[in-house]
Amino acid sequence: EVQVLESGGDLIQPGGSLRLSCAASGFTLRTYAMTWVRQAPGEGLKWVSSISASGVGTHYADSVKGRFIISRDISKNTVYLQMDSLTAEDTAIYYCAKSRRTGTNYGMDVWGLGTTVTVSS
Amino acid sequence: DIQMTQSPSSLSASVGDRVTITCRASQGIGTSVHWYQHKPGKAPKLLVYAASSLQSGVPSRFTGSGSGSDFTLTISSLQPEDFATYYCQQSFLTPYTFGQGSKLEI
Repeated sequence: EVQVLESGGDLIQPGGSLRLSCAASGFTLRTYAMTWVRQAPGEGLKWVSSISASGVGTHYADSVKGRFIISRDISKNTVYLQMDSLTAEDTAIYYCAKSRRTGTNYGMDVWGLGTTVTVSS
Repeated sequence: DIQMTQSPSSLSASVGDRVTITCRASQGIGTSVHWYQHKPGKAPKLLVYAASSLQSGVPSRFTGSGSGSDFTLTISSLQPEDFATYYCQQSFLTPYTFGQGSKLEI
């Protein structure tokens, strides 16, 4: 079965760092692009970052550029989101999603249940 | 950034109703639009990709249409499981922006 499972969410103080993981199963990251999407409390879905199947192409929302880094480990079939300099505005459920194809722009057909990040002192 | 404006932001309907949700892009984006359904506590679900292609396993009562800057998602006959929030998303240019969502209530 094709699925993704997020982990790593936590309560973290402002200014802190956190690394989210997204373990993929049933498919290989060499073949599909991957994306992180977040949903802040009471708000809608917001695209955060994507990485192409080649791993070369990475893209970020302006609100996280310079603070977040998306990466992947092919040997573990896992995608990561390293989040630094966290603020209260980063509080959200973070979803990992698989692209329909190798590129990042084909829509996302498999999503996880999300992992919760809370930034608060 | 490309803005995606959805309407209505919320609507009430009954089982069996026909419902249409619209999404307008701030510039032409061809057919680079996808529609998702999201229920609280669940993973979002892809319904339609590339404006009008039905994702595998999605009931045929869901239909997407449009190109350029105006897009629609139509549910031909609402079923109880369809009450959720629906989002459009553009993938023409990064950042891949979502609409603000349309909450469909009984």
